[in-house]
Amino acid sequence: AQSVTQPDIHITVSEGASLELRCNYSYGATPYLFWYVQSPGQGLQLLLKYFSGDTLVQGIKGFEAEFKRSQSSFNLRKPSVHWSDAAEYFCAVGARDNYGQNFVFGPGTRLSVLP
Amino acid sequence: NAGVMQNPRHLVRRRGQEARLRCSPMKGHSHVYWYRQLPEEGLKFMVYLQKENIIDESGMPKERFSAEFPKEGPSILRIQQVVRGDSAAYFCASSPPGTGGNEQYFGPGTRLTVT
Repeated sequence: AQSVTQPDIHITVSEGASLELRCNYSYGATPYLFWYVQSPGQGLQLLLKYFSGDTLVQGIKGFEAEFKRSQSSFNLRKPSVHWSDAAEYFCAVGARDNYGQNFVFGPGTRLSVLP
Repeated sequence: NAGVMQNPRHLVRRRGQEARLRCSPMKGHSHVYWYRQLPEEGLKFMVYLQKENIIDESGMPKERFSAEFPKEGPSILRIQQVVRGDSAAYFCASSPPGTGGNEQYFGPGTRLTVT
């Protein structure tokens, strides 16, 4: 079964600074990887996803993530954080026939942005 | 194309009452998923449904919880005789056919509070 860890529960950065959120997964086959963002009181919005091909994927809102198979990681990055990026970020791992318990979320990383 | 709709957004129930949560998937989506998010935790899969069929309910508690997705109308997650531990945010997601569940679009969630 898949599992996802996000080592950082809470991260604080200053506006304009760069950001990297860590995600490590455990899965026996080629994973399908996702990053979602959840603003307070809101649902989850898909930022980006990786299925295959180029290991550096671009997403919405200026985010990107890099799949590193050797490290079982899929870290999310942004070169310059905006105050509106303050939210909860979830990494998720799925499989080819992804449904149900095959779609596993990490515990989340809460991002705070200082003015 | 409207997104995934959930209602109510907030629901307060006393212990022992019933809670009914509704989810209308995006137009053209025939797959519905329910997740539960406890405070400070990621989302946990509960059940996966297609029209008139429960495909996977392995994440749903055996007692008091049930789900349906009728031919007409929204998907319903029903919790009977609610207890304090049921207090959580419940999210619904939908996906179009043929995507293997890898394109899940989330609703805004229903926040259930049991007093």
